[in-house]
Parts: sequence; structure tokens; C-alpha cells
Amino acid sequence: AQRVTQPEKLLSVFKGAPVELKCNYSYSGSPELFWYVQYSRQRLQLLLRHISRESIKGFTADLNKGETSFHLKKPFAQEEDSAMYYCALTFNTGKLIFGQGTTLQVKP
Amino acid sequence: ETGVTQSPTHLIKTRGQQVTLRCSSQSGHNTVSWYQQALGQGPQFIFQYYREEENGRGNFPPRFSGLQFPNYSSELNVNALELDDSALYLCASSPTGPSNEKLFFGSGTQLSVL
Repeated sequence: AQRVTQPEKLLSVFKGAPVELKCNYSYSGSPELFWYVQYSRQRLQLLLRHISRESIKGFTADLNKGETSFHLKKPFAQEEDSAMYYCALTFNTGKLIFGQGTTLQVKP
Repeated sequence: ETGVTQSPTHLIKTRGQQVTLRCSSQSGHNTVSWYQQALGQGPQFIFQYYREEENGRGNFPPRFSGLQFPNYSSELNVNALELDDSALYLCASSPTGPSNEKLFFGSGTQLSVL
């Protein structure tokens, strides 16, 4: 079965430190991968898609098909990055499969 | 441009009852998906509607049903409520059809089943 795994429930870093939020998936085909973010008291929103290969708010994510991973990275964390982050995949069936989420806490 | 709106925001029901949750899609969005999010978990796909037809369903029993209307608003109906149905129910609409290129989420309806 298709599955998205985010191994860390909580990641706590200091402002200015590098951040890597891990995401691994199990799917034999070619999925499309996403990162969604939910800031405090806001709704879930798209952060980035692997297919667009863009950097949003300084975050990037590279799809590694060999390791079936799609880790989210940022070289220097900011306090405003504190939020819940969800990795998700779809294989064009109308179904988006989410991981359990990682809370990123950036301390001043 | 208005966003995705869901009603009600909170709801309390008892086991065995039926509930209807409503979603108003963002203007111009012809696809709507519903997700269930239990506490501490990621959202789980219930089903998707595209142009008023069901277009994919997750591992939810038939007592979870839905509708999409010509104006692209949507309803999620749950019959014979069980305690495990207590969760946040999220509606998400998309302007790009069922491909999930970008979903716009509502704030959700928090359902408590007692």
C-alpha cells in the first residue's frame, strides 16, 4: 500500500540553524510529491511541489527516487517557520496521501 | 476572491445519529475533496468529486457519502455515527481538476461523537 512516513513528530531548532524535515514514501510508480504547511490558527496550505522545482520561503525539497525520499530543507531557520509540516503524495487518482506531520519549532 | 468555507465549525452528535457537513468551494474550482483528520494524524482521504461525480474514494465505509452541486458546493454525509468518527473534517477544492496540483483547504468542521 502507498504510504508516507514522517519519522519525527517534533523537530526543534534554533533560529539560524539548518532545518531538514524528513519524508519517506512507499510507492512503486512515479508519484507526485508535495509539502503542505499549517501555521498557527491558519488553514492547511501548499508549500511546494516537487514537479515545479521551486524554492518557497527559502525551503527546497528534492525527490530522491532511489531512497524514496522527499526531505524538506532550509539552510537558515526563521521563527516564522514554526508550523506543522505535512508531506503528501498523489499518483493522479484524485487521492492525496498525507504523512502524520512534523511540528517544527524554531527557538529564538 | 473568497476562500473555501465550511460549516458548521463545530458539531456535537451522539452515536447512531446522522450528520451533514457543508463546504463552499473557492470560486471557479470544479473539484472538491473531503478529508478526515484524527487528533495527531495527517488528513485521510475520504473521497473526491469532480463535476458532480464521485472521482475516487478512500477506505471509508458506505455510510460516508457525498454530493457536489452545480455551483460546486459540496456536502459530506455520515450515517450511523460511531465514536471513532470524532475528528476534524476538511474540505479542499482545486481549480485544476482532479489531479491535485494544488488544493485549497477550508478551516474544517470539528465533529465530536458522544
